Amino acid sequence: GAVVSQHPSWVICKSGTSVKIECRSLDFQATTMFWYRQFPKQSLMLMATSNEGSKATYEQGVEKDKFLINHASLTLSTLTVTSAHPEDSSFYICSALTNEKTQYFGPGTRLLVL
Amino acid sequence: QKEVEQNSGPLSVPEGAIASLNCTYSDRVSQSFFWYRQYSGKSPELIMSIYSNGDKEDGRFTAQLNKASQYVSLLIRDSQPSDSATYLCAGGDGAGGTSYGKLTFGQGTILTVHP
Repeated sequence: GAVVSQHPSWVICKSGTSVKIECRSLDFQATTMFWYRQFPKQSLMLMATSNEGSKATYEQGVEKDKFLINHASLTLSTLTVTSAHPEDSSFYICSALTNEKTQYFGPGTRLLVL
Repeated sequence: QKEVEQNSGPLSVPEGAIASLNCTYSDRVSQSFFWYRQYSGKSPELIMSIYSNGDKEDGRFTAQLNKASQYVSLLIRDSQPSDSATYLCAGGDGAGGTSYGKLTFGQGTILTVHP
């Protein structure tokens, strides 16, 4: 299968700071990437769809000014959590869509906001 | 009704048995369905996809789709302790086992295979 990486794998930050998470497709180009969030013992919830060269599409209830998404190249999408608060602590997972239209997930980034 | 619904379990089976995981979906969910396995603290990994009525087999895994009943299942034969994980059912909006966009996930079923 296709390989997707995320960096960092975990991050701890103070409340009010911003955190950037990178998602890379390592062996394929991905026009479309997705950002999910997963709280403990819950399923994945789609936050936004990231399209290379255009604005991201956010799901209802997700603040676009708080969760900034940039998809500047065909292999990289970034999610920046601005002014993070403890309630933003979660497991953030990206996925990338192959040319065959299958989604492969990155390993996830665990964010803890103190 | 949730768009994709799974029996959250937990499901416990003895080693070597068949584990049966079930998923139902509403009309608004799409045409292709995916089963992912998620180990604790890890991200989901794709097991298989299915989009045609009937059965699809891959090794010890068999996915079944019944569009009339809006029902998807995953059977795991000869279950092993290493199969212990959360299994996520998801619906995709593309035909032919594809997903052009949003995957809608069920809440997951926790499977434990005990020796």
